[in-house]
Amino acid sequence: DAMVIQNPRYQVTQFGKPVTLSCSQTLNHNVMYWYQQKSSQAPKLLFHYYDKDFNNEADTPDNFQSRRPNTSFCFLDIRSPGLGDAAMYLCATSRGDKETQYFGPGTRLLVL
Amino acid sequence: LAKTTQPISMDSYEGQEVNITCSHNNIATNDYITWYQQFPSQGPRFIIQGYKTKVTNEVASLFIPADRKSSTLSLPRVSLSDTAVYYCLVGDIRGNYQLIWGAGTKLIIKP
Repeated sequence: DAMVIQNPRYQVTQFGKPVTLSCSQTLNHNVMYWYQQKSSQAPKLLFHYYDKDFNNEADTPDNFQSRRPNTSFCFLDIRSPGLGDAAMYLCATSRGDKETQYFGPGTRLLVL
Repeated sequence: LAKTTQPISMDSYEGQEVNITCSHNNIATNDYITWYQQFPSQGPRFIIQGYKTKVTNEVASLFIPADRKSSTLSLPRVSLSDTAVYYCLVGDIRGNYQLIWGAGTKLIIKP
């Protein structure tokens, strides 16, 4: 089945130690999104790629970076995780603008 | 910026119809309205999307008045498995790019 896959489902890292979360899709969608979701809060969009065009939300910290080497894969890099970065990180895709977003299961990040 | 406002929580009973309203007073001309459902420890799942008037699919209906300043998600004959958080999302990623999520409505269905 076509889907959005996130690995790992759970990630533990140390304060200040760089970490990379990955997302892949078999939907061949143009747009890929990264969201941060904290407990009992709505998802917060960090950035998205429309094809190769990168769009950063104005309030996304510089600590968060992203790479999209090809249509299928997208990575979220957290250069120096702080305790406040512990959250669920959700990847989503859509075929284009105004289209439904398909979400992966998320990666729960714990920062020690 | 189209801020979305929705009730924090709602309760209902199995078999009832549930209506959840989202306010988006500053919705832009190009913005679509989308509703998602989220269970604990899962990613949100698409329910329905609309631009104006009424949209219906196999799981829900979406009512949007002419001024588009609000929208109502209607879930017919809910069951216990409909217990989840429901999010209203307003936006369009092209043009004046904005995606505004509501804070979510926690819906609890009782037997």
